[in-house]
Amino acid sequence: DTAVSQTPKYLVTQMGNDKSIKCEQNLGHDTMYWYKQDSKKFLKIMFSYNNKELIINETVPNRFSPKSPDKAHLNLHINSLELGDSAVYFCASSQASGGQQTQYFGPGTRLLVL
Amino acid sequence: QKEVEQDPGPLSVPEGAIVSLNCTYSNSAFQYFMWYRQYSRKGPELLMYTYSSGNKEDGRFTAQVDKSSKYISLFIRDSQPSDSATYLCAMSPLSGSARQLTFGSGTQLTVLP
Repeated sequence: DTAVSQTPKYLVTQMGNDKSIKCEQNLGHDTMYWYKQDSKKFLKIMFSYNNKELIINETVPNRFSPKSPDKAHLNLHINSLELGDSAVYFCASSQASGGQQTQYFGPGTRLLVL
Repeated sequence: QKEVEQDPGPLSVPEGAIVSLNCTYSNSAFQYFMWYRQYSRKGPELLMYTYSSGNKEDGRFTAQVDKSSKYISLFIRDSQPSDSATYLCAMSPLSGSARQLTFGSGTQLTVLP
């Protein structure tokens, strides 16, 4: 069983297009995240939702808009794609209350903007 | 200057060697320290987790945290080719309804058979 899944795995698109990436977790967690990993493997948080509420919103262009329809899903919509948006986007989830709050990552979506 | 600094490598060692991976950080609010392992074309997976200063051992892996020096380490004993991956340190402060992680840039490790 896949704990955190993302679709699509690969996305190749033209500059200026709008695209969405979907994430689902079946771990029963209440918190989900979007990270961006650049070509140098630097992983940076973009957004976090706890119980469908946005709680972390880093300095990200407003072309990026996350949406959490329920606790198990967190989608990322990107408008007017730019070359610099090319990266691997990871979704993660964790349980916010108590314990280690280990974040479990999805397999990533490799976005290439041409 | 980045909040978390990590030597990107690449680091190449023979099988059986002891590997030392390190990160330094500048934010004294960090209390939780983690090491993630990321295989090529996969998502990061948690390897070790430490709270505050001290050592933690799990099999061939030992994590050390020295908060006074703002320095953390991961040691891998008897390294195996299957340990070849990128190792990311991550840390976060106390509190918050979501643990916001700040990652290092990762060290790429290759263990040669």
